[in-house]
Amino acid sequence: GAVVSQHPSRVICKSGTSVKIECRSLDFQATTMFWYRQFPKQSLMLMATSNEGSKATYEQGVEKDKFLINHASLTLSTLTVTSAHPEDSSFYICSAGKPGALDYGYTFGSGTRLTVV
Amino acid sequence: KQEVTQIPAALSVPEGENLVLNCSFTDSAIYNLQWFRQDPGKGLTSLLLIQSSQREQTSGRLNASLDKSSGRSTLYIAASQPGDSATYLCAVRLGSGNTGKLIFGQGTTLQVKP
Repeated sequence: GAVVSQHPSRVICKSGTSVKIECRSLDFQATTMFWYRQFPKQSLMLMATSNEGSKATYEQGVEKDKFLINHASLTLSTLTVTSAHPEDSSFYICSAGKPGALDYGYTFGSGTRLTVV
Repeated sequence: KQEVTQIPAALSVPEGENLVLNCSFTDSAIYNLQWFRQDPGKGLTSLLLIQSSQREQTSGRLNASLDKSSGRSTLYIAASQPGDSATYLCAVRLGSGNTGKLIFGQGTTLQVKP
């Protein structure tokens, strides 16, 4: 099956620092990955679509300079939260679809809990 | 703009009951609909996926239906168990191919009491 690995699962950082979150497709190549954000007791909100070899497509209201996305290979996309502030504390989760098997839906990573202190 | 709504927001039932979770969406032009389960602090586990041309899908004690014309889907859980306690999310996919976005509902938090 399609497996998506996300790392780290938890991270605590100081305000003003940057944090990188990795999303890997373990057993397939993903030309497209999606990054979501989830606040407590709320649903998932799509932040951006990550495209291998090209710029990410950001949703309205998401600061592209703050949330840097790099999809340098077919199995890895990274989300970097730059100059993090306490309001960036959230649960970040990525997903990918397996090409040729997209009828089976998207697979999600296990998520990253970011706490900015 | 596609909006997805789930009712109820929370549900508490005794073990063994059959239950129905509801999902509605405003634009019937969807590619497919997917139901997920999320445990606290965890990622999403896909439960069932229904293509836009399908009416229902079944997996074990779970049955999901889709009425695209009316913009509704239901997730039926038979003989509920305490292990079913989790948040259930429905999501509609807007397009085919790798660029199809998922739009999520707010979720239904289910508690099954032993």
